[in-house]
Amino acid sequence: AQKITQTQPGMFVQEKEAVTLDCTYDTSDQSYGLFWYKQPSSGEMIFLIYQGSYDEQNATEGRYSLNFQKARKSANLVISASQLGDSAMYFCAMRGPSGGYQKVTFGTGTKLQVIP
Amino acid sequence: ETGVTQTPRHLVMGMTNKKSLKCEQHLGHNAMYWYKQSAKKPLELMFVYNFKEQTENNSVPSRFSPECPNSSHLFLHLHTLQPEDSALYLCASSQDGRESDTGELFFGEGSRLTVL
Repeated sequence: AQKITQTQPGMFVQEKEAVTLDCTYDTSDQSYGLFWYKQPSSGEMIFLIYQGSYDEQNATEGRYSLNFQKARKSANLVISASQLGDSAMYFCAMRGPSGGYQKVTFGTGTKLQVIP
Repeated sequence: ETGVTQTPRHLVMGMTNKKSLKCEQHLGHNAMYWYKQSAKKPLELMFVYNFKEQTENNSVPSRFSPECPNSSHLFLHLHTLQPEDSALYLCASSQDGRESDTGELFFGEGSRLTVL
């Protein structure tokens, strides 16, 4: 079984500062994938970044980077130069091995508020 | 615009009503999903359809009835719901089956359901 843990219910960050959102996971699969999604108040879940378990380098997408520490089973999201539009819920998620449909497990989320 | 459209965006119904939620994806994906999002709980996977065949039913009560007439359309039929069924219902799609697929989920904006 897969499990995602996000221990920060809420976070504040000053505009233009960097922030790290924590995520730890548990799985018995050797091959898996990790995702971060953003959910603004409108409700839509927006894909931010993906890390495969066999990827040797940390994933980066613009201002988002994923700090992947496989041995510690952590996949923290780092947002650099925070903007007011970054205020939203952030969810960490994981899937099992590729192939067939994907059963994705989500964490409980972290509410990020960017302060002007 | 993620290519996944859900209607209606908001729905209020009584416990004796019958209503349906609709989801349509324009991405050519082969898998579609229904998730339930309640306050302060992780997203709960309800149903998965892969190539129009239901591959997952996550112990969902029979008052929720999914229908997938083709790979682009997914419905969730609702009848005799309970107030605790009030939640945001999210539809998603993904392309899976190839080793190169990340399994990223593309979500709609959700249907906010209130059961009186």
